[in-house]
Parts: sequence; structure tokens; C-alpha cells
Amino acid sequence: AQKVTQAQTEISVVEKEDVTLDCVYETRDTTYYLFWYKQPPSGELVFLIRRNSFDEQNEISGRYSWNFQKSTSSFNFTITASQVVDSAVYFCALSDVSGGYQKVTFGIGTKLQVIP
Amino acid sequence: DSGVTQTPKHLITATGQRVTLRCSPRSGDLSVYWYQQSLDQGLQFLIQYYNGEERAKGNILERFSAQQFPDLHSELNLSSLELGDSALYFCASKGASSYNEQFFGPGTRLTVL
Repeated sequence: AQKVTQAQTEISVVEKEDVTLDCVYETRDTTYYLFWYKQPPSGELVFLIRRNSFDEQNEISGRYSWNFQKSTSSFNFTITASQVVDSAVYFCALSDVSGGYQKVTFGIGTKLQVIP
Repeated sequence: DSGVTQTPKHLITATGQRVTLRCSPRSGDLSVYWYQQSLDQGLQFLIQYYNGEERAKGNILERFSAQQFPDLHSELNLSSLELGDSALYFCASKGASSYNEQFFGPGTRLTVL
């Protein structure tokens, strides 16, 4: 069965601190895709990154970086030198083919508060 | 702008009423997903359509129904509304491949009084 676990429901950090958001997933498929989305206080959901199961290279985009480890079924997200604008709810998601059709499962989200 | 549109943006109604939420996917996307996000809750998957056909059902109540029309827009119908149905309802569209990310609309905020 497909499952995405974001064990941290809320995190508070002081501005300029680094913070890592954890995501652990379960799937029986060998081909799958992982995503992170951001939901700022304004409410919209913004796509951040996609990673496929065959590409374990870490990715860095500015202050954001992602660490994908198949051995531990984890796809963690690190924000370096956090800023107040990073305050949001972050969702991890998994897409695979389940029961013959594509399925997307979201984690419950991690609420990040960056304190100035 | 994700390219996904949802109307209305806000909806206030009374218990027992029925409402229809509308979603237009991005151009070329055949899949439409509906999600419910209640206060301090994650995204609860409701239902998925692909090219007019229902593909998957999540935690969708029997009072709720949806459809996808030939022009690919989708409607989510909520009936016999209860206070607990107050939530943000998101529509997302997605390309045909598993690697495609979902693009979300701005959401419809439903308030049931």
C-alpha cells in the first residue's frame, strides 16, 4: 500500500537557522515519483520539486535542498538559512501505479514557522 | 498561476443546502483530482477522474459526488451540507505520466453556517 509519513507536524525555527523536513514513504512499486509542495498562509499549493525513483542524486536549488535515499525510503527537504517567507505548510507526496492506475498520496504536512 | 481555475473562490451557505464547485484543468491535462482540506488538516483525497471516467475514490462521503465533462472540466457536488463540511476544496490537474506533478487550483473556501 502507498503511504507517506511526515512525522513532524509543526516546527519552529529562528530566522537564519537551517531546518530539515522529514518524509518517509512506502510503496511496492519500483518506479515511483516523489514531490514536495509548499502551502503558504495565502493558501495556494505550490509545486517545489519532483524526483523519480531511479535518480538518487541530491538536488539543490538556492537555499533549498533535497536528500533522496531509497535505502531508508526517505525524501527529506532542507532549508538553509531560513527566512520568514519560508513559513508555510510543506507537503510530501508519492505517485505510483497502484491497482493498475496512477495514484498520488500526500503526507499530512509539516507546518514550518520561521520566527524573525 | 498554475493554469488550473476554480470557481467560486468563496462560498457561504447554510446547513442542508447543496453546492457545486467547478474546476477547469490545465490545457492538455486529462486527470482531475479533488481534495478537501479542513482546518489544521492535511489534504484529504476525495476523487480522481481521467478523461471523463472515475479512476479512484478516497474518503468521499456519499453526500458528495463529482463528474468530469467532455470538455474536461469537473464539478464537485456537495449536498445536505453539514457544519463539518466547511473546508478548503482544491482541484488539481495532472499530465498523463506518473512523473507529472499535480498543479493545484487556488481552491474554493466553503463555509457552512
